[in-house]
Amino acid sequence: RKEVEQDPGPFNVPEGATVAFNCTYSNSASQSFFWYRQDCRKEPKLLMSVYSSGNEDGRFTAQLNRASQYISLLIRDSKLSDSATYLCVVQTGNQFYFGTGTSLTVIP
Amino acid sequence: GAVVSQHPSRVICKSGTSVKIECRSLDFQATTMFWYRQFPKQSLMLMATSNEGSKATYEQGVEKDKFLINHASLTLSTLTVTSAHPEDSSFYICSARGDRGGYGYTFGSGTRLTVV
Repeated sequence: RKEVEQDPGPFNVPEGATVAFNCTYSNSASQSFFWYRQDCRKEPKLLMSVYSSGNEDGRFTAQLNRASQYISLLIRDSKLSDSATYLCVVQTGNQFYFGTGTSLTVIP
Repeated sequence: GAVVSQHPSRVICKSGTSVKIECRSLDFQATTMFWYRQFPKQSLMLMATSNEGSKATYEQGVEKDKFLINHASLTLSTLTVTSAHPEDSSFYICSARGDRGGYGYTFGSGTRLTVV
């Protein structure tokens, strides 16, 4: 089983829509979780870390469910500029495990 | 799905020695390979981009003579850190883009390099 599983999508949503991505991880000892955003042919950039208490940054909300071993990213009021690939990243010990990314396209 | 195998996962070396990191695409052809590094509490930073059979393109501030990248085949790319110094200690990760568009970018699991 892969360390991190992520639905590759693609997700095509209209502007203004709310979209959610989930990511599951296999190792219950994993201690840190992140969402990265990657634009085409560019390096992934950290979008936000994910905390047990959940965290919000503007239109973006990230949550962690340790019992079910998944993390989620919610994007509200989607903008055209949100179109990108969203990577979940799980840290277990000194290792980082990356999901393959979920492709999001926001349509006018 | 697409898998990129990266080795070693962890390496400790003495200052002045060279370290080679390998990334292999296991079930697809990696036409483009990206190499990143990440210092503690920082985002992944792109070091270089390589296309199979051609010279790598390095990002500004990355020394090409120090970080040697070889992408001689469609399934293997290597990054060699030459004459490593403690400031090179970092997390290095590769990412491959294959010939099947649906896979997008597949990341290796990373290499933790510690230079002592």
